[in-house]
Amino acid sequence: DAKTTQPPSMDCAEGRAANLPCNHSTISGNEYVYWYRQIHSQGPQYIIHGLKNNETNEMASLIITEDRKSSTLILPHATLRDTAVYYCIVISGAGSYQLTFGKGTKLSVIP
Amino acid sequence: KAGVTQTPRYLIKTRGQQVTLSCSPISGHRSVSWYQQTPGQGLQFLFEYFSETQRNKGNFPGRFSGRQFSNSRSEMNVSTLELGDSALYLCASSLFGGLDEQYFGPGTRLTVT
Repeated sequence: DAKTTQPPSMDCAEGRAANLPCNHSTISGNEYVYWYRQIHSQGPQYIIHGLKNNETNEMASLIITEDRKSSTLILPHATLRDTAVYYCIVISGAGSYQLTFGKGTKLSVIP
Repeated sequence: KAGVTQTPRYLIKTRGQQVTLSCSPISGHRSVSWYQQTPGQGLQFLFEYFSETQRNKGNFPGRFSGRQFSNSRSEMNVSTLELGDSALYLCASSLFGGLDEQYFGPGTRLTVT
């Protein structure tokens, strides 16, 4: 699976949009981009995933660049409960069953 | 419906001992995956069980084993504990194993002294 690079930390004001970047320059054609988050003392939580089109669900939007070498997770109106570590991972095929997280981005939502 | 439950939540063991961790998946879910999470290595996949059969396995030594029962509850066993086994052990359940439908439990924090 391709390697990803994320900034170690970010701050966002409450109520504003949080834009979390991820670089995956070695991604191959059949690899999906997945985003998870982990709130302190809880298990990881699935957020969204995509292959090449932008995706939106009730939690977030995922913007993938045309060359697929990077993506951005957007939390449209961040709340204090969105403070967590966000993980961007690239996985080969939707049928994969394994997750491996790196360091992720620690997002702090500031009141 | 009730979420994924893991017991115990916290555990302290001594080197050389063995430990068994338990995971009860969401009702109706047939897939249970186990992960180890440490500050240094991040989240790493241990194995996945589906309908009582181990379907996928990560790169961990044979000291790590698991099983799944007919009611989909799963146990994970670690024998001959080492200091490096100190970690948060997470289990995740899903209907069929898809990553977009996995629900994680709160984890068991294992400390080996």
